[in-house]
Amino acid sequence: EPEVTQTPSHQVTQMGQEVILRCVPISNHLYFYWYRQILGQKVEFLVSFYNNEISEKSEIFDDQFSVERPDGSNFTLKIRSTKLEDSAMYFCASSEGDSWGYTFGSGTRLTVV
Amino acid sequence: KQEVTQIPAALSVPEGENLVLNCSFTDSAIYNLQWFRQDPGKGLTSLLLIQSSQREQTSGRLNASLDKSSGRSTLYIAASQPGDSATYLCAVLTIIGANNLFFGTGTRLTVIP
Repeated sequence: EPEVTQTPSHQVTQMGQEVILRCVPISNHLYFYWYRQILGQKVEFLVSFYNNEISEKSEIFDDQFSVERPDGSNFTLKIRSTKLEDSAMYFCASSEGDSWGYTFGSGTRLTVV
Repeated sequence: KQEVTQIPAALSVPEGENLVLNCSFTDSAIYNLQWFRQDPGKGLTSLLLIQSSQREQTSGRLNASLDKSSGRSTLYIAASQPGDSATYLCAVLTIIGANNLFFGTGTRLTVIP
């Protein structure tokens, strides 16, 4: 069964450093998403991406965040200057269409110290 | 804004029992509803997807129902096994802000051997 692949599985970074989280969505999917889950809280939406541009973003997704699809397979989330409160599990997801089911990756646990 | 609630927050049952997990949502204008499984510290595994025009979906021992007009879904697990122990998340894809999947806080299920 096709999978969404995320790397790394765990990243520890110092406050103020830049991090890039990487995702390889399912190859025939057209819509890509980032979500995050702070420990003990709900999974929450960050951003959606379609046709090489952001289609929607939440209020969490401020100027410190950016996304990119640098080639035909990768989809990245960059946090420019990490804060302690950015510590969370970050999930990438993809879907064939904007009203279809989502397939999620196994997540990247980001720890900011 | 869509609010998704899951009851109970935690459930412990002996092996072999049938059980029902509940999910309710406030905005019935949805494309679909997905049930996910999350093991501790792990990713989100999609279990069942119900489109808004459907009433139920089945996969093995799992059956999910959807009553869109009342804003409710149930996940029925038959003949529970210790391997079913996990957190079960319900998520709805709303029509307004279609790129936003709203998650509940989950039900943590423990099946006792």
